[in-house]
Amino acid sequence: DTGVSQDPRHKITKRGQNVTFRCDPISEHNRLYWYRQTLGQGPEFLTYFQNEAQLEKSRLLSDRFSAERPKGSFSTLEIQRTEQGDSAMYLCASSSGTSGGHVSYTQYFGPGTRLTVL
Amino acid sequence: AQSVTQLGSHVSVSEGALVLLRCNYSSSVPPYLFWYVQYPNQGLQLLLKYTSAATLVKGINGFEAEFKKSETSFHLTKPSAHMSDAAEYFCAVSNTVGDYKLSFGAGTTVTVRA
Repeated sequence: DTGVSQDPRHKITKRGQNVTFRCDPISEHNRLYWYRQTLGQGPEFLTYFQNEAQLEKSRLLSDRFSAERPKGSFSTLEIQRTEQGDSAMYLCASSSGTSGGHVSYTQYFGPGTRLTVL
Repeated sequence: AQSVTQLGSHVSVSEGALVLLRCNYSSSVPPYLFWYVQYPNQGLQLLLKYTSAATLVKGINGFEAEFKKSETSFHLTKPSAHMSDAAEYFCAVSNTVGDYKLSFGAGTTVTVRA
C-alpha cells in the first residue's frame, strides 16, 4: 500500500494561467476527496467522488475549478484563470468507502500540492 | 451543519510535560470525530478516531482522546511531550452516513521546549 500521492508538490504560476493537479488514491479506494487549506487555517472541503461520479461540490468551488476522476482511479483538479486568492495547499484524500457491505470512512491524505499565484 | 472549535491556536509545553489540546464539536447527532497531525509542508496524518465505540480512544505516538457527549468535547492528550510532537494538530468532524466529508477546526500549533 503506497499511500495517496499528489503531483506536483509545488506549483508557481502567474495570475491568469491555468493549472492542473493530479491525485492518485490508495489502490481500490472508492472515494476521493479534495480539500483546500490556506495559511493558518484548517482544510476546507471542495468536492468528492464515489468511483468516477462527482457527488458533491462545495460552494467554494467556483466555475473556474473543475475536477474529474475518469475510470474511478486518479483524479485531476484544474483551476482556470488563476487568481492570487487561489494560492493555497490543495489536499487530496481517499477512503475505501463501501466495499462488500462494510463501510470504511477513514480518510487518508496525500502530501498536498502547494500553489502560489504571483 | 457540523463544526468544530479548537480552543487555543498555539500551545507551548516543556519536554516531558502533559499535552492537552481542546476540541469542541457542534452536531445535531453524535458524529464521528478525528484528530490529525500535520508537519510542515506535509499532508495530514491520522492520529486517532472516534466512531461510537469506546469513548476513550487510543491513537499513535502515545496520544489518546476522550469523547464526552455531555460536554460535546473530544480533547486530545499525551502524558509526556516529546520534541517530535511539535506540529500542527487538527480536530475534525464528519457525519456518520452519506458523504463523510470532514469539517476541520482551525488547528493548534504545538511547540515543545527542551
